[in-house]
Amino acid sequence: EPEVTQTPSHQVTQMGQEVILRCVPISNHLYFYWYRQILGQKVEFLVSFYNNEISEKSEIFDDQFSVERPDGSNFTLKIRSTKLEDSAMYFCASKIYNEQFFGPGTRLTVL
Amino acid sequence: AQTVTQSQPEMSVQEAETVTLSCTYDTSESDYYLFWYKQPPSRQMILVIRQEAYKQQNATENRFSVNFQKAAKSFSLKISDSQLGDAAMYFCAYRSNTGTASKLTFGTGTRLQVTL
Repeated sequence: EPEVTQTPSHQVTQMGQEVILRCVPISNHLYFYWYRQILGQKVEFLVSFYNNEISEKSEIFDDQFSVERPDGSNFTLKIRSTKLEDSAMYFCASKIYNEQFFGPGTRLTVL
Repeated sequence: AQTVTQSQPEMSVQEAETVTLSCTYDTSESDYYLFWYKQPPSRQMILVIRQEAYKQQNATENRFSVNFQKAAKSFSLKISDSQLGDAAMYFCAYRSNTGTASKLTFGTGTRLQVTL
């Protein structure tokens, strides 16, 4: 069964460094999402992406964040200058019709 | 903006028993979807069940069923014949059917413990 994959599973970085989180959505899906979950809290929407552009973003998704679909398969989330409060689990999801399929997540730790 | 509320931070159920997890939501829309997601310790988000607001019939998936009360904006999850593998965080989520790329809005979750 096709699934969403994410790499790396765990990323440790120093505050102020740039990180890129990678996702490979399910191949025929058209809509892509990033969510984050700070430890012990609920899952929060960051951004949705369709037809090679952002369709919606939350207030969390400020100028430090960007998304890209550099080729036909990858979907990336870049954080330009990480802060301690960016430490969280980041989930990628993709959708073709009604259901969003989630990847296993990337745990980001900012020291 | 839509909000999703889960008022039970933790629940416990004995193996083979039935448990109901509560969820309420607030929206002014009439066309939307509701979901229950399971998050085991691995933190993977797994879809448990989906309900379309325009369908009056409650969704069922094997041991999982929902009680969808649209007027009351209530969407509870019933787990029958609970198993040890059901132990996880359960998140209720809302998605508008307006616009094709609509985001999911999650509740704060309920941690379910299953005891022997």
